[in-house]
Amino acid sequence: GAVVSQHPSRVICKSGTSVKIECRSLDFQATTMFWYRQFPKKSLMLMATSNEGSKATYEQGVEKDKFLINHASLTLSTLTVTSAHPEDSSFYICSARLAPGELFFGEGSRLTVL
Amino acid sequence: EDQVTQSPEALRLQEGESSSLNCSYTVSGLRGLFWYRQDPGKGPEFLFTLYSAGEEKEKERLKATLTKKESFLHITAPKPEDSATYLCAVQAAYDKVIFGPGTSLSVIP
Repeated sequence: GAVVSQHPSRVICKSGTSVKIECRSLDFQATTMFWYRQFPKKSLMLMATSNEGSKATYEQGVEKDKFLINHASLTLSTLTVTSAHPEDSSFYICSARLAPGELFFGEGSRLTVL
Repeated sequence: EDQVTQSPEALRLQEGESSSLNCSYTVSGLRGLFWYRQDPGKGPEFLFTLYSAGEEKEKERLKATLTKKESFLHITAPKPEDSATYLCAVQAAYDKVIFGPGTSLSVIP
């Protein structure tokens, strides 16, 4: 199947700093990628839809100034958590759309803000 | 409002004991229903896509079915390696995919 790579898999940062997470589709081009957040023992919550070459579409309640999404190429989307605080600690997962209805997920990035 | 629910929340089976997981959905303009498997600390792994009522898909010990209001994931003679959280998701308009809360499956040897 298609491969989506996420980096870093784990990151620990101090409160107030910014952290960037990368999501790459390795063997296919993805005009659309999605970013999800997952709390412990909970399901995935869609944060935003990332479209190559245009602004991301954020879900209701997601702060666009805190979670900056950039989709600069057909194989790369980035999520930057700005001025991170402990409540931003979570498991962030991206997915890339290979075709309508076919989503492939990265391995996830666990963010811990001290 | 688009919504996905799953039951049971957790399921514990003996090895070889077949069972079914349920996914109920309310969505306007269903474009697809997906089943994923997720192991602890990892991203979801794609299992099946179902597009229309009456459709069935099979993969090894798993079989997914779809009606107009729900989907079932049947697990036949499960093994301990089938232990995982199974997530159901639906694709509504504009490619937006909404996930259910998941069913945590434990298969005991």
